[in-house]
Amino acid sequence: GAGVSQTPSNKVTEKGKYVELRCDPISGHTALYWYRQSLGQGPEFLIYFQGTGAADDSGLPNDRFFAVRPEGSVSTLKIQRTERGDSAVYLCASSPSGGYGNTIYFGEGSWLTVV
Amino acid sequence: AQKVTQAQTEISVVEKEDVTLDCVYETRDTTYYLFWYKQPPSGELVFLIRRNSFDEQNEISGRYSWNFQKSTSSFNFTITASQVVDSAVYFCALSDTTGANSKLTFGKGITLSVRP
Repeated sequence: GAGVSQTPSNKVTEKGKYVELRCDPISGHTALYWYRQSLGQGPEFLIYFQGTGAADDSGLPNDRFFAVRPEGSVSTLKIQRTERGDSAVYLCASSPSGGYGNTIYFGEGSWLTVV
Repeated sequence: AQKVTQAQTEISVVEKEDVTLDCVYETRDTTYYLFWYKQPPSGELVFLIRRNSFDEQNEISGRYSWNFQKSTSSFNFTITASQVVDSAVYFCALSDTTGANSKLTFGKGITLSVRP
């Protein structure tokens, strides 16, 4: 597609449930990022993939959060045992390569609400 | 550690007014990149500009202009003759050599409302 595509656009789930958020990056982009944006805040880095491997997962808040990119294109962010504090917009982004200073292009985000 | 401060939280102007959005950054690196993104109500972050720390020339793109002042660690964004469609949240972001990737550190954003 022309831009970064994310599904679902909105997800409401009950506390304790498991959630998967999907990201389809811009075609040909090798670098993929997940960010989380809470209300009134700027996006915060979660994890970065270069190809299939997670090159930097230093932003994942705890071990309930996990992400994969098995074929080096689509990525899935997985959240186990969701908590109300996980409610946020989860933004996926991609760039042509992961090198320092590259422009990162964002999707419209997946709004997650945990009730 | 890197940090981006956008001290203004909300700005409201009347259409056709000029408006400047401030951004101050902190980094220990001598080489870094600065960015501005626009986030309309749809939620998507739209890339506006990228600036290398070695290039202090101001840039103009239509009604948008950017003033990069290394001496004050600022990268301010001016919209000339604002329009209602400019209403959005604007984020300034920094990418430096911390880590091996293009990871961005964002400010908290400035909500700009342009009234007709």
